[in-house]
Amino acid sequence: DGGITQSPKYLFRKEGQNVTLSCEQNLNHDAMYWYRQDPGQGLRLIYYSQIVNDFQKGDIAEGYSVSREKKESFPLTVTSAQKNPTAFYLCASRRGLLYNEQFFGPGTRLTVL
Amino acid sequence: AQKITQTQPGMFVQEKEAVTLDCTYDTSDQSYGLFWYKQPSSGEMIFLIYQGSYDEQNATEGRYSLNFQKARKSANLVISASQLGDSAMYFCAMREEDTGRRALTFGSGTRLQVQP
Repeated sequence: DGGITQSPKYLFRKEGQNVTLSCEQNLNHDAMYWYRQDPGQGLRLIYYSQIVNDFQKGDIAEGYSVSREKKESFPLTVTSAQKNPTAFYLCASRRGLLYNEQFFGPGTRLTVL
Repeated sequence: AQKITQTQPGMFVQEKEAVTLDCTYDTSDQSYGLFWYKQPSSGEMIFLIYQGSYDEQNATEGRYSLNFQKARKSANLVISASQLGDSAMYFCAMREEDTGRRALTFGSGTRLQVQP
């Protein structure tokens, strides 16, 4: 079945540690996105990538980094520079410019201890 | 900058009744897309319905319809014949057309609770 997978589902991090959230899609979609969701709020864009080997900062990119070495993979690293990383992280993909819907993965809930 | 406003933090509806979830938007773009997503307690975002700014007819998908009033900049979601499984968070979102990123801007959401 085609879709987006995110791992792990739950992640605990100690302060000062970097962690990497995985996002994989087998939909052959060109564009991929990372969003952050805080309790009781909507989603905010962290980074996006329209094509392999290219990515752009979103609205809240500080303290995060990404890579897009393969079409199907778009991992997000939460660095120690991110002051308040506890949140729910959602990855999404879209087929191409002419298509409307963004498909979302199941999310990763990150908690900083 | 685009902005989505959902003024109803929570809504209650009786099973089998219809409910309207409000969404207003602000944009200077001539071309844009409006979306509604459902987020159950498990966290995944489920696409419900899409309306393009140039679409003349309101979008419908099964029990979901989008009441699009362009002059008022509103895009309300109407759920007919509510079911217990409709209890969830609902987010209105707008897609930027005039920038390259084609990302979504989300509202703060409305929590819908369907009562038996």
